[in-house]
Amino acid sequence: GQQLNQSPQSMFIQEGEDVSMNCTSSSIFNTWLWYKQDPGEGPVLLIALYKAGELTSNGRLTAQFGITRKDSFLNISASIPSDVGIYFCAGPGSGNTGKLIFGQGTTLQVKP
Amino acid sequence: EAQVTQNPRYLITVTGKKLTVTCSQNMNHEYMSWYRQDPGLGLRQIYYSMNVEVTDKGDVPEGYKVSRKEKRNFPLILESPSPNQTSLYFCASSLQVLGNEQFFGPGTRLTVL
Repeated sequence: GQQLNQSPQSMFIQEGEDVSMNCTSSSIFNTWLWYKQDPGEGPVLLIALYKAGELTSNGRLTAQFGITRKDSFLNISASIPSDVGIYFCAGPGSGNTGKLIFGQGTTLQVKP
Repeated sequence: EAQVTQNPRYLITVTGKKLTVTCSQNMNHEYMSWYRQDPGLGLRQIYYSMNVEVTDKGDVPEGYKVSRKEKRNFPLILESPSPNQTSLYFCASSLQVLGNEQFFGPGTRLTVL
């Protein structure tokens, strides 16, 4: 079935550092979404990508839709303590159910 | 404020006692969906609805029911909860049926003893 593989699984960085994480799939996706989930809260949509090669920013966050349509990257520049959380990539599941397939998540910890 | 709300946020119950988790969105979204999140299994879709009175099963529908009598509300019903339904539940909605940009509620942590 469809699967999204995220890496790294976790990161522990110093405040001010840049962060990069990625998501790969064995199948083609027409949409890539990046969410952030804080403990005990629901996922919050950060960035949506709809076109191969697209590069989109949201403040200090930048995401790219890979040219092959099988990968996507999320970068966070100049990390701050409130960036702590779990970052998920997601894409549309097969069949017309509207469901999203999620990666396993990248847990980010930022040391002040 | 545009949002998806869920109630209750936390619930501890016992096996077999029927319960309902409510979900409401104020964005006039067509599509609504329920997911459960479990360690090691990620987020899995339980049921979805593409419009009023139109609902269908997701990947893990056993033991759950839903209804969509109004556009804004999409309650999740557990007729006879069992311990394997202990989980974190999220309601989500999106403007278009296959719009993909889904907005999630804050979650309901359910424990079934």
